[in-house]
Amino acid sequence: NAGVTQTPKFQVLKTGQSMTLQCAQDMNHNSMYWYRQDPGMGLRLIYYSASEGTTDKGEVPNGYNVSRLNKREFSLRLESAAPSQTSVYFCASSGDYARDTQYFGPGTRLTVL
Amino acid sequence: SQQGEEDPQALSIQEGENATMNCSYKTSINNLQWYRQNSGRGLVHLILIRSNEREKHSGRLRVTLDTSKKSSSLLITASRAADTASYFCACKTGANNLFFGTGTRLTVIP
Repeated sequence: NAGVTQTPKFQVLKTGQSMTLQCAQDMNHNSMYWYRQDPGMGLRLIYYSASEGTTDKGEVPNGYNVSRLNKREFSLRLESAAPSQTSVYFCASSGDYARDTQYFGPGTRLTVL
Repeated sequence: SQQGEEDPQALSIQEGENATMNCSYKTSINNLQWYRQNSGRGLVHLILIRSNEREKHSGRLRVTLDTSKKSSSLLITASRAADTASYFCACKTGANNLFFGTGTRLTVIP
């Protein structure tokens, strides 16, 4: 079991470029999440998918889009990257939305110049 | 806005000592969770305490919850160098979202 995997591990973008962060889980979890972590701050929820076929905005959704491709995969897209989106991005999954333990991927460190 | 706030922001102790971290939150919660993050890694779930529980133990971890004061504490007993990490509380609200605090950075000196 790999758990939650994320690609890429590191990425540098120029302002205005687009990219997609990939996340996959092999635990047959229903719910998946995208967070960002900025220095000195806790994690903030960007988007989540409570179950396959549904997505909802979290605390900081502006500038991002998501796709729940299937039960395993949940991608995060930056259409036009901005320096304010420089951050570490974490994907997580849980058995279901109301169930409590979330399992995290190793993170993607994104720098936007 | 952040739901949970940890205190202290940083803590440095000698190996073998106990470490106590505190978390305060703002609104009513379903449960409160503690996570650990090693440098450059993802978060790992440590322990969960429900709103109707007052204390919970897991190995060297002890968590308390005081809903009247909207606060929780995490105690790590007999600390080890391998406990060096950042520790986050996360509050599960009625809307089922999980809100993370800003974290306590613990350093255990061998």
